[in-house]
Amino acid sequence: EVQLVESGGGLVKPGASLKLSCVASGFTFSDYWMSWVRQTPGKTMEWIGDIKYDGSYTNYAPSLKNRFTISRDNAKSTLYLQMSNVRSEDTATYYCTRDRIYRYNYYFDYWGQGVMVTVSS
Amino acid sequence: DTVLTQSPALAVSPGERVTISCRASESVSTGMHWYQQKPGQQPKLLIYGASNLESGVPARFSGSGSGTDFTLTIDPVEADDTATYFCQQSWNDPYTFGAGTKLELK
Repeated sequence: EVQLVESGGGLVKPGASLKLSCVASGFTFSDYWMSWVRQTPGKTMEWIGDIKYDGSYTNYAPSLKNRFTISRDNAKSTLYLQMSNVRSEDTATYYCTRDRIYRYNYYFDYWGQGVMVTVSS
Repeated sequence: DTVLTQSPALAVSPGERVTISCRASESVSTGMHWYQQKPGQQPKLLIYGASNLESGVPARFSGSGSGTDFTLTIDPVEADDTATYFCQQSWNDPYTFGAGTKLELK
């Protein structure tokens, strides 16, 4: 059974940094691209970025590229999201997803349960 | 960015047929995917590539469309289908989502 379990969320102050983790199981982690997606309290969904199966390439939403960094450790089957200089608008539930490709189009076939990040002073 | 527009809410009776639309601000070819999200849960993939049913998803769900206009159809609707349905495109960078359509059962 595919499982994605996020952790590392919580209450953080504006300007701080935070690192989220996502431990994968039930599939060969190193075979898949992975993404982070967030959902605001108002339910708006936003794709943050993705990372190639071997970690050699990352792609980000332009609005987040300068503050967010995605990495992975295939030996630990773990995906990471490093968030820096966080702002109140980063308050959201953060999901890690497994990516699949169909005719050059990526979509998300498995989602973790999500981890909440609240940015507030 | 490609903007995806969905109607905010629909209310139908069990047993009826419902269509949920998603319109893209520019062509996304068939790079459109649909997800179901129930309250307090993570999204679940229903349809990928505009019309391909994900394994394990009931055949009551179907998708159609290409270019800028897409439809998710549920026929017949069951009480368990109460949820918010999101479309997502991956043809243009960055990937974007619609705001979601909340489906309620009468």
